[in-house]
Amino acid sequence: QKEVEQNSGPLSVPEGAIASLNCTYSDRGSQSFFWYRQYSGKSPELIMSIYSNGDKEDGRFTAQLNKASQYVSLLIRDSQPSDSATYLCALLSNTGKLIFGQGTTLQVKP
Amino acid sequence: ETGVTQSPTHLIKTRGQQVTLRCSSQSGHNTVSWYQQALGQGPQFIFQYYREEENGRGNFPPRFSGLQFPNYSSELNVNALELDDSALYLCASSRTGRGQETQYFGPGTRLLVL
Repeated sequence: QKEVEQNSGPLSVPEGAIASLNCTYSDRGSQSFFWYRQYSGKSPELIMSIYSNGDKEDGRFTAQLNKASQYVSLLIRDSQPSDSATYLCALLSNTGKLIFGQGTTLQVKP
Repeated sequence: ETGVTQSPTHLIKTRGQQVTLRCSSQSGHNTVSWYQQALGQGPQFIFQYYREEENGRGNFPPRFSGLQFPNYSSELNVNALELDDSALYLCASSRTGRGQETQYFGPGTRLLVL
């Protein structure tokens, strides 16, 4: 079992819709979780960090964490074509390294 | 912009050669982590440097080495390059000691080994 699992997609949504990106992890002791956005040919850009169970909102983005279910998600409201990218879920191990999922490719169609 | 810089942006080498990649961390950050990202995959942790000491290493062979300088900038060296070393190399800086350290990535160096 991979430490962080994501569906590689592509996930296709129409412009203006809600995009829902999901991630599961295996280490029950994990405390810190991150969502990065990566445009093709570019480096990962931090979108959200989340450390506590529940929801965390920042503009059009909402991160959700459920430690009991070992599940992290990212919701993007009012999706725009500029949101089309690969979204990487990552957790911070207790040794200080980020462990990434494979990434989910999001396509927002005008 | 994260304030993390990397050089060079692109590099082409041949198998067996050696390469040095450089990273300057964000102001106020004392930790640099290096990742390798193959096409279509998530980044894989190579190693981390904190206050000039290696502070953790991923599943990479010893021909991957690095160092960190007193100003917290860092180098990644790869000896005896192999074709599979072709990838995007990412440097991330953070500040160890505050807890919940967030890592910010530089633009990356794309290495092609022929």
